[in-house]
Amino acid sequence: GENVEQHPSTLSVQEGDSAVIKCTYSDSASNYFPWYKQELGKGPQLIIDIRSNVGEKKDQRIAVTLNKTAKHFSLHITETQPEDSAVYFCAAKKFNDMRFGAGTRLTVKP
Amino acid sequence: GAGVSQSPRYKVAKRGQDVALRCDPISGHVSLFWYQQALGQGPEFLTYFQNEAQLDKSGLPSDRFFAERPEGSVSTLKIQRTQQEDSAVYLCASSPSRVSYEQYFGPGTRLTVT
Repeated sequence: GENVEQHPSTLSVQEGDSAVIKCTYSDSASNYFPWYKQELGKGPQLIIDIRSNVGEKKDQRIAVTLNKTAKHFSLHITETQPEDSAVYFCAAKKFNDMRFGAGTRLTVKP
Repeated sequence: GAGVSQSPRYKVAKRGQDVALRCDPISGHVSLFWYQQALGQGPEFLTYFQNEAQLDKSGLPSDRFFAERPEGSVSTLKIQRTQQEDSAVYLCASSPSRVSYEQYFGPGTRLTVT
């Protein structure tokens, strides 16, 4: 089955800096790659996603890139703010089977 | 608009008790998913419904876990004879249609088995 690896597990940046989180997946049939932000005591919130026919997608300060050949995708957050502090999860989906990475705890220091 | 809601938000059960966790998906959403999230881990798939039909239950860890969605809207995840390893956050997600990619999560129910 699909295996999703995510790193780093923790990331600390200064406010205003950029943050990058990387994920790899194993199943080449996966075709949808969402990113979720999870704050303490809340459910995962979809923040951006990309489908396998697209290489890059951007939404304001957030961007995701996908390299299908290498089977990896990344989340880029620019101009980080303290409210970006949370746990971020990547996922890879094939049909209705979605597998998550173990998460990255991002801390943005003011 | 209203998102996915789950109840109760917190549940403490003694080992051996049965529990029932409820999920109210976004109105009109066809697909519904249950996930289990252990502390410090990503969600892990349990089961999937399309309307009232349970199409995939391959992630249910044992026959003590049972899920239903009898009218194609509200779903209940039932755990019988709870054990300590069942302690986790149980997340529900819904998706607009069977071909939709996006899944929208509820806040989860934190189950603690003592």
